[in-house]
Amino acid sequence: DGGITQSPKYLFRKEGQNVTLSCEQNLNHDAMYWYRQDPGQGLRLIYYSQIVNDFQKGDIAEGYSVSREKKESFPLTVTSAQKNPTAFYLCASSFNGGGDQPQHFGDGTRLSIL
Amino acid sequence: GENVEQHPSTLSVQEGDSAVIKCTYSDSASNYFPWYKQELGKGPQLIIDIRSNVGEKKDQRIAVTLNKTAKHFSLHITETQPEDSAVYFCAPGGGTSYGKLTFGQGTILTVHP
Repeated sequence: DGGITQSPKYLFRKEGQNVTLSCEQNLNHDAMYWYRQDPGQGLRLIYYSQIVNDFQKGDIAEGYSVSREKKESFPLTVTSAQKNPTAFYLCASSFNGGGDQPQHFGDGTRLSIL
Repeated sequence: GENVEQHPSTLSVQEGDSAVIKCTYSDSASNYFPWYKQELGKGPQLIIDIRSNVGEKKDQRIAVTLNKTAKHFSLHITETQPEDSAVYFCAPGGGTSYGKLTFGQGTILTVHP
């Protein structure tokens, strides 16, 4: 089945540690996105990539980094500079990056502080 | 960037009633208007969308209407069922923000049996 796979489902971070969240898609989509969702809140855009080897900051990029070396993969690193990383992280993809195509979401990674 | 407001933030209905959620946006160049449903612990899923050349679209019990002049679009759910209970988001796109989408704050819909 085509879709978005996020792993792990749950992740725990120690103080001062960087952690990487995985996102893989087999939909052959050009664009991929990372969102952060806090309890009772909407989705806030962290980073997005409209094509391989290119990405742009979203509204809350500070303390996060990404790479897009392959079309199907868009990993997100939560660095130690992100002081409040506890949240639900959602990865999405779309056919193109114009904002006029449906977004397909994974089932998220829940990150907590140890 | 796009300013998006979604109302109401919570909506409680009895099974069989109708539910309407409204999304107001600011970018007059937006041309794609989707609604997503998010169940607990899952990612959002597209349930219906409409493009700017269409005023209304229906899929069984759900429909979306668009008023481009007033810059708002609405999700209509008829004959609500308990399984419709979820969080619903709008995310107008295709405008000047290009790929940088802004989602509405979400509406928690509760359908009481």
